[in-house]
Formats: sequence, structure tokens, C-alpha cells
Amino acid sequence: QKEVEQNSGPLSVPEGAIASLNCTYSDRGSQSFFWYRQYSGKSPELIMSIYSNGDKEDGRFTAQLNKASQYVSLLIRDSQPSDSATYLCAVYNTNAGKSTFGDGTTLTVKP
Amino acid sequence: ETGVTQTPRHLVMGMTNKKSLKCEQHLGHNAMYWYKQSAKKPLELMFVYSLEERVENNSVPSRFSPECPNSSHLFLHLHTLQPEDSALYLCASRQTPATNEKLFFGSGTQLSVL
Repeated sequence: QKEVEQNSGPLSVPEGAIASLNCTYSDRGSQSFFWYRQYSGKSPELIMSIYSNGDKEDGRFTAQLNKASQYVSLLIRDSQPSDSATYLCAVYNTNAGKSTFGDGTTLTVKP
Repeated sequence: ETGVTQTPRHLVMGMTNKKSLKCEQHLGHNAMYWYKQSAKKPLELMFVYSLEERVENNSVPSRFSPECPNSSHLFLHLHTLQPEDSALYLCASRQTPATNEKLFFGSGTQLSVL
């Protein structure tokens, strides 16, 4: 079992729709959770971070965390073609000093 | 500008060459990382330096040799690489311990081994 699993892609949504990206993790000691966006040929850039259960909203992005279910998600509202990228879920265990990345989900937003 | 600068951006080398990748961070962080990203594969952690001491080596082949002379600079020395080593090599940094353990990535070096 992978330490961090993301929903297999690619994911395709029409422009204006909600894109839902999911991630589960196995390390219950994880305290910090991040979503990175990576455009083809570019380095990952941090778009959301979440540390406590519940929802965190930033513009069109909402991160949701449920530690009991070991689940973290990213919702993108009003999806735009410029959102087309690979989204990486990363989980950080402070005690272990270790970040673990998922395989990534490739999102395509069609005009 | 992310605060983490990598050079060169692109590198083509033969299997007998020796080259080095350079990373410099301007964020005052105390931990630096080398990641490898191959096509359609997840990010692979290669090396971690925290407070200039190497703390993790995920069984990376010895043809990759890291060097961290200070908290702002990180090198990856390459020698006798194989074609399967062609990948995007990413440097990242963070401040640890901290409440926000966000990684800041450089732009990467796209390496092609012929």
C-alpha cells in the first residue's frame, strides 16, 4: 500500500465545473497536509495547506481534511483551462521530519 | 522567483561525463532537499540535509553525490550516469522545526543522459 494515494487520473472536467481531487494517507502521525500544483515541465508550487480537521477556503480552492478517515481533498470551483495541471498531495510528519508525496492527479479543464 | 534558484535549467551529458547541479536558497531555511521526478512517476526523495548534516539517503546510487557546504547551498555531483537517470531534478528547502512545513521548490534542472 502506498503511503499517500491519490485518485487515479486523468480527470477531465468542463470549464466552470467543480473539480474534486482526493487523497488518502496511511501515517496517522501526519500533521500537515499540502496540495501542490505542477504544470507540465515546471516545478511544483504550493497552492493550499491545511493542518486541522474541516474545510479551508482560498479563492476558488477548498481543502478538506478528515484525520479520522485519513483523508484530504481539494475542490476547485469554477474550473478554468488554466487549472489544467498535475496536482500533488503531500503529507508531512513533523516528528519524523518526512514529507511524502502522492503520485499526482492530472486535471484537464476543457473549454 | 521562488527564493530557490537552481542551475543549470537544462543539462545534456554523456554517460562518461562529470557534472554538478547547483541549488541556492535565499529564504533563510535550514533544510534542503534533492528530489528526482521521472516521467509519470511520483517525486522521489534523494537526499535531505538539515542543518548541513545529511539525515536521509534513500538508497540512491553512488553515481549521485550530494554536497551541502552551508545552509544556503546544495550541490548534486553526477558521474557515470545512465540513460534512466534522465529526469527533472528538483531542489527544495524548508525551515524546520516550524509550524508550517511547506516545501519551496526551485525551477528544477532537466537532465538528459545520452
